[in-house]
Amino acid sequence: EIVMTQSPATLSVSPGERATLSCRASQSVSSNLAWYQQKPGQAPRLLISGASTRATGIPARFSGSGSGTEFTLTISSLQSEDFAVYYCQQYHNWPPFTFGPGTKVDIK
Amino acid sequence: QVQLQESGPGLVKPSETLSLTCAVSTYSISNGYFWGWIRQSPGKGLEWIGSISHTGRTYYNPSLKTRVTLSVDTSKNQFSLKLSLMTAADTAVYYCARVMVGVYFDYWGQGTLVTVSS
Repeated sequence: EIVMTQSPATLSVSPGERATLSCRASQSVSSNLAWYQQKPGQAPRLLISGASTRATGIPARFSGSGSGTEFTLTISSLQSEDFAVYYCQQYHNWPPFTFGPGTKVDIK
Repeated sequence: QVQLQESGPGLVKPSETLSLTCAVSTYSISNGYFWGWIRQSPGKGLEWIGSISHTGRTYYNPSLKTRVTLSVDTSKNQFSLKLSLMTAADTAVYYCARVMVGVYFDYWGQGTLVTVSS
């Protein structure tokens, strides 16, 4: 089973600033990685698939990069609605699909 | 916009079997895709349970495989989860979702909290 880790656990950012979130896989997942955003009381929302392809309706301030074992989600200029928990998920070697533990982005 | 809605009991006794259903609207399951279940608990984060195709082909998380059964009912446009031998460790919010190209989750239900307690 591929283990996903994310850092930092919590990221404190001021509105308008850039946020950089990291996701690491225990072995290569190529570009088979998705990112999700989850707000309190809501289901996760797909942001990115294929490590860098934004899902329909996702603003351009969200960008994903990386391949192999190291991935980054960047939010170029944080808006108030972006404060949430972000998860990565690998789908390279499955079953099972596995998720990271999440990074909480909160207001500085 | 595909809409999914989970339904089922919010409370299950230890050793019993959980049964949840996911009703899909604005999209016909018969048209394709896989459909999945994911759960979220404070202790284990997001955990994929399994996925099923519109034809009934299934994939399960090996850690749950012996206790999980997924089924699909295209006539009712819904799919279902059965998880047997429930314990407190199975307490979680259970989500259903559409599985895009069989591997990631593009539409989710709102989730339903299932508590295991006597």
